[in-house]
Amino acid sequence: DAMVIQNPRYQVTQFGKPVTLSCSQTLNHNVMYWYQQKSSQAPKLLFHYYDKDFNNEADTPDNFQSRRPNTSFCFLDIRSPGLGDAAMYLCATSRTRDKEYQETQYFGPGTRLLVL
Amino acid sequence: GIQVEQSPPDLILQEGANSTLRCNFSDSVNNLQWFHQNPWGQLINLFYIPSGTKQNGRLSATTVATERYSLLYISSSQTTDSGVYFCAADQFGNEKLTFGTGTRLTIIP
Repeated sequence: DAMVIQNPRYQVTQFGKPVTLSCSQTLNHNVMYWYQQKSSQAPKLLFHYYDKDFNNEADTPDNFQSRRPNTSFCFLDIRSPGLGDAAMYLCATSRTRDKEYQETQYFGPGTRLLVL
Repeated sequence: GIQVEQSPPDLILQEGANSTLRCNFSDSVNNLQWFHQNPWGQLINLFYIPSGTKQNGRLSATTVATERYSLLYISSSQTTDSGVYFCAADQFGNEKLTFGTGTRLTIIP
């Protein structure tokens, strides 16, 4: 039944050690999103893919990268995690037609990242 | 971009009470969604409601697009309703959701 799957659910990394979070979907949606959510804040969009078209938010640090090798999978790479990158990372998907009409966004359970 | 504001920021109610959460948005929207974030952090879709009224059990939502607001109603609150409720909206030609700051609902037994 799971539609948007994120692994791992909890990730502990060391300061400066690269880490990769993964997201997969069974919905065959053309758009995939990565959000960062810090404690007591709203989710903040980092970037999204419209099919293979990568769209970075202007204020997303260069430390954050993403890959989408196929429709089903999307990865978030944090090249050198800092203490301020500790957060919940949420993946979402949606179906959008012609970049104009977006349907419901579906969220995965999130990966909680701890940086030591 | 579109601005999304939610009120109240915090709400504490006794079990069994009814509640109304409000979401105001600054411009016309293509998509408006209500989410419940549970204590484990998962965002659960409640409603996709760019206009009109929908009901799902004890929850209902109404969006008046011409007046740029949406309301989420929770009746006969249960402790499992506790958590943060977000509304989020996007605009035509822009597939990015903008989230409000959320309403933290606490239901006391």
